[in-house]
Amino acid sequence: NAGVTQTPKFRVLKTGQSMTLLCAQDMNHEYMYWYRQDPGMGLRLIHYSVGEGTTAKGEVPDGYNVSRLKKQNFLLGLESAAPSQTSVYFCASSYEGQPEETQYFGPGTRLLVL
Amino acid sequence: GENVEQHPSTLSVQEGDSAVIKCTYSDSASNYFPWYKQELGKRPQLIIDIRSNVGEKKDQRIAVTLNKTAKHFSLHITETQPEDSAVYFCAASPGYSSASKIIFGSGTRLSIRP
Repeated sequence: NAGVTQTPKFRVLKTGQSMTLLCAQDMNHEYMYWYRQDPGMGLRLIHYSVGEGTTAKGEVPDGYNVSRLKKQNFLLGLESAAPSQTSVYFCASSYEGQPEETQYFGPGTRLLVL
Repeated sequence: GENVEQHPSTLSVQEGDSAVIKCTYSDSASNYFPWYKQELGKRPQLIIDIRSNVGEKKDQRIAVTLNKTAKHFSLHITETQPEDSAVYFCAASPGYSSASKIIFGSGTRLSIRP
């Protein structure tokens, strides 16, 4: 049981390049989330998904797209990276209906856009 | 929408002393309040949570109190130890079936002085 995993762990991009971050969970969770974490700003929700085939915008969705083709995977895409997207990205998942609403986080992806 | 404010942003306490972190929220519909601990370079992990039908919850050296009327909740750590050094995040959510709306505070960096 690996929990929530993310690939890659670290990536450097040039402005305008594209990339996809992969999140995978093996806990059969319905809900999945993508956050970005910037110094002094906590965790901000980018996009989330409440089930396979569904996605929705969070607090800071601009410049990102997501897909949830399989229940266990949640992909975050940057079509044209900008320096403002330099951040640490965390994926999380939670089980629909769990009273505690615990979110389990992945190890994070550190992205640097030059 | 929900807004969560967290204070202080940094906190330094002597080992063995107590630490208190406070958060306020704006949405009266919020009824689930988790606290996450994030060690340097690691993922956020849930350490304790409280629901609005409970005023206080304790787990060993950690306790959380909730004042729903005043819309604030606090994390209390007693007999602090070096391993308590980390960034702590509070969060608020409308709760059941609304995990997607969890909003995090900006974090408190807690340092334990030997």
